[in-house]
Amino acid sequence: AQRVTQPEKLLSVFKGAPVELKCNYSYSGSPELFWYVQYSRQRLQLLLRHISRESIKGFTADLNKGETSFHLKKPFAQEEDSAMYYCALQGGYGQNFVFGPGTRLSVLP
Amino acid sequence: DADVTQTPRNRITKTGKRIMLECSQTKGHDRMYWYRQDPGLGLRLIYYSFDVKDINKGEISDGYSVSRQAQAKFSLSLESAIPNQTALYFCATSDYSDRAVSTDTQYFGPGTRLTVL
Repeated sequence: AQRVTQPEKLLSVFKGAPVELKCNYSYSGSPELFWYVQYSRQRLQLLLRHISRESIKGFTADLNKGETSFHLKKPFAQEEDSAMYYCALQGGYGQNFVFGPGTRLSVLP
Repeated sequence: DADVTQTPRNRITKTGKRIMLECSQTKGHDRMYWYRQDPGLGLRLIYYSFDVKDINKGEISDGYSVSRQAQAKFSLSLESAIPNQTALYFCATSDYSDRAVSTDTQYFGPGTRLTVL
């Protein structure tokens, strides 16, 4: 069965500190992994996808198949990064998404 | 993204009432989805539709039904609302096309907050 876990419900860091949002998954094949973000009073939107190997707003995420993880990282957190972050898995292109429970990131001044 | 809209944005109703949540999109996407969001549980898929004639149950479809009236419209109904259906409901769309062009991103509506008393 497909499953996504995010062990931290809330993560608080100070501005300028590094941040890592953890995501682990269970899936028997080769999944596609995504991070979605929801800023206050905005709708859920795609932040980045592993297949693109991109850096968005300073965030990066590396897929580690051995550890079945897709942690989201940023070296220097900014206050505007405060939001709810969801890790999501797609079993294959065109298949449904499975979302994790989400982690609320709070960046303190 | 104003291309995906949901009505109503907030609704309070009583146990046993029938409720319809509506979703419209102007993105021209074939695929539409209904999710519910609960604290600590993330988003869970209720129903999804790959085109007007294709509707499928998701992870938690019991107590819900849907109607795909047109490519642009996908409605979610609670036939007889109960308190544990109190949640935030999201509609989403995606465009399943040539992988070289699209990466199957989901585009979400603003959400409908439903409270069942």
